Amino acid sequence: DQQVKQNSPSLSVQEGRISILNCDYTNSMFDYFLWYKKYPAEGPTFLISISSIKDKNEDGRFTVFLNKSAKHLSLHIVPSQPGDSAVYFCAASESARQLTFGSGTQLTVLP
Amino acid sequence: KAGVTQTPRYLIKTRGQQVTLSCSPISGHRSVSWYQQTPGQGLQFLFEYFSETQRNKGNFPGRFSGRQFSNSRSEMNVSTLELGDSALYLCASSLYGAKNIQYFGAGTRLSVL
Repeated sequence: DQQVKQNSPSLSVQEGRISILNCDYTNSMFDYFLWYKKYPAEGPTFLISISSIKDKNEDGRFTVFLNKSAKHLSLHIVPSQPGDSAVYFCAASESARQLTFGSGTQLTVLP
Repeated sequence: KAGVTQTPRYLIKTRGQQVTLSCSPISGHRSVSWYQQTPGQGLQFLFEYFSETQRNKGNFPGRFSGRQFSNSRSEMNVSTLELGDSALYLCASSLYGAKNIQYFGAGTRLSVL
């Protein structure tokens, strides 16, 4: 049973536009959420995180939104750049225990 | 500061063999976690070690085991390899209590023939 789901395996966006990556979870005990980015032949790189006591966290071009009632998480990238093309994983943890990852979304930013 | 180092980067083994993968965490990090990544499955948690003790374990068979040394370096071992064990194995380190921001190595690509 997948507790963290990324239902879109891929997403294509034009350079300069907004990229929106979505993530749903089923475990209401998750209290910390993260996004990681992964390039081929490299390990995942931490991007941004959010605690369950917040509904938004912003870092430069990246903003994460959390909707606890819908158990939904999204990552907004504005403006999107070709260098953002990568696989994005959302992850969640309960009481600082191990991370549970989604299956990833391949983002392609077209020049 | 050096990042997480995993060795070797690539491995080819045959069914029935065993394999040992190594991970050196970021200096000062005491927690090491291991993940298996296969196409379409995301990252599946294997186990976490802290201060040489296994703290958490994922849903993998007993053929998968690990250990952590006093210098926080970690190894994972897979015995009696199966074709389905072919995957990218990722190691991540973190500070204890650091809200689980984990820093990943580049991984070891294991192919079982």
